[in-house]
Amino acid sequence: EDQVTQSPEALRLQEGESSSLNCSYTVSGLRGLFWYRQDPGKGPEFLFTLYSAGEEKEKERLKATLTKKESFLHITAPKPEDSATYLCAVSQAGNNRKLIWGLGTSLAVNP
Amino acid sequence: NAGVTQTPKFQVLKTGQSMTLQCAQDMNHEYMSWYRQDPGMGLRLIHYSVGAGITDQGEVPNGYNVSRSTTEDFPLRLLSAAPSQTSVYFCASSSAQRGSTDTQYFGPGTRLTVL
Repeated sequence: EDQVTQSPEALRLQEGESSSLNCSYTVSGLRGLFWYRQDPGKGPEFLFTLYSAGEEKEKERLKATLTKKESFLHITAPKPEDSATYLCAVSQAGNNRKLIWGLGTSLAVNP
Repeated sequence: NAGVTQTPKFQVLKTGQSMTLQCAQDMNHEYMSWYRQDPGMGLRLIHYSVGAGITDQGEVPNGYNVSRSTTEDFPLRLLSAAPSQTSVYFCASSSAQRGSTDTQYFGPGTRLTVL
C-alpha cells in the first residue's frame, strides 16, 4: 500500500537546538516529494519540492534532502517562529496531481 | 496576486442544510482540488479538476459536488450537510503546464461545523 509516514509526531526544541524531521515513503514510482509548513488556523505553505535521490534544497534555516526511501527536513539553529506543523507529501509517476500525505510533525521551539 | 482565496472562513450549518464553499485562484492554474483536514487523518482529497469543464473524484467524494465552469473558480457544494462533514476544507491549485513543478498552492481554509 502506498503510504507516507512522518516522525516524530511531535518535537520540542530549545531555540538554537538543531534537529531533523523524517518523512519515509513506500510508493510505486515516486515523481516528487513535497514539504509544507502549516501554522495553526492556516493553509499549508509550500517549502520545497525534491525529485531525485541525492537532491537537496535550502531555505533560511531549513534544508530538505531526499533518498530512495525517505526525506529529511533539517532545521539548523531554530527560532520560535519556526514553530509549526511540517507536512510531507509525495506524488507518483503517471498520477502527479494526486498527493499522498503524511500526518505531519508538530514542532515547538522554545525561546 | 492574491493566490488562492476561499470564502467563508467559518460556517456553522444544521444537519440537512446545503451550502457552497467558494474557491478562486488568480494564477491561471489548470489544476484545482479540494481537501478536507481532520485530526489524525491528515489531508484527504475530495474532488479535483484538471481544467474548465473537467472534474473527477478523489479519495472521499461522497456528499460533495463540484463544477468547474471557469479556470479561476472551483466551488464545492454540500447538498445535505451531515455532522461527519465537520472539518476544515482547503482548496489548492497548481499549474499543469509542461515543465511546471506541479507544486500545489493552498488557500487559507474554511472551518465548517455541522450541528
